[in-house]
Amino acid sequence: GAGVSQSPSNKVTEKGKDVELRCDPISGHTALYWYRQRLGQGLEFLIYFQGNSAPDKSGLPSDRFSAERTGESVSTLTIQRTQQEDSAVYLCASSLGRVNGETQYFGPGTRLLVL
Amino acid sequence: LAKTTQPISMDSYEGQEVNITCSHNNIATNDYITWYQQFPSQGPRFIIQGYKTKVTNEVASLFIPADRKSSTLSLPRVSLSDTAVYYCLVGEGTGRRALTFGSGTRLQVQP
Repeated sequence: GAGVSQSPSNKVTEKGKDVELRCDPISGHTALYWYRQRLGQGLEFLIYFQGNSAPDKSGLPSDRFSAERTGESVSTLTIQRTQQEDSAVYLCASSLGRVNGETQYFGPGTRLLVL
Repeated sequence: LAKTTQPISMDSYEGQEVNITCSHNNIATNDYITWYQQFPSQGPRFIIQGYKTKVTNEVASLFIPADRKSSTLSLPRVSLSDTAVYYCLVGEGTGRRALTFGSGTRLQVQP
């Protein structure tokens, strides 16, 4: 079946512009996660959605970052007034959201470059 | 939140067994231990998961001592294609901050 997909695969923008990154999770997965990965670094948790519960936004680095998810489907991560420090790969993952220790399935990521 | 510590990098040769150890001294009772593999320009991919003792699948083995304060990922007979970054994660596995990825271990397999 189809895995997690993300778009665009690459995005180049100018400092100060807003960007929207999209994630399509695996069908039936109620949990969805966004991570940020800077060059040569590990993954940094950003936000987590689980069904209709309030999202866990504790990892968002600033109020320029926000994310939405419609039901148990598509999610959009928005970065307003982008800064050069926002340049990174933004990874989305989904999981069934039912049990402890379940596997997260990752998308290929969106590579964001802020000039 | 259990923090993990693992070597920054390791080198090996094709055909050798590679063991990567991860320390997680503050692991909680409900925490699982999960290892992910990440190739360049790709998202991480699940390798193996365990709670205690030993787990084996077609890719790797995971050894967890009784105190669960560490774990060892064992890759038998590595090949060049096993060159990747390997992440050890500890948590309940339902997202949130529980699955905090550290910097991982960069494994380089030489011919």
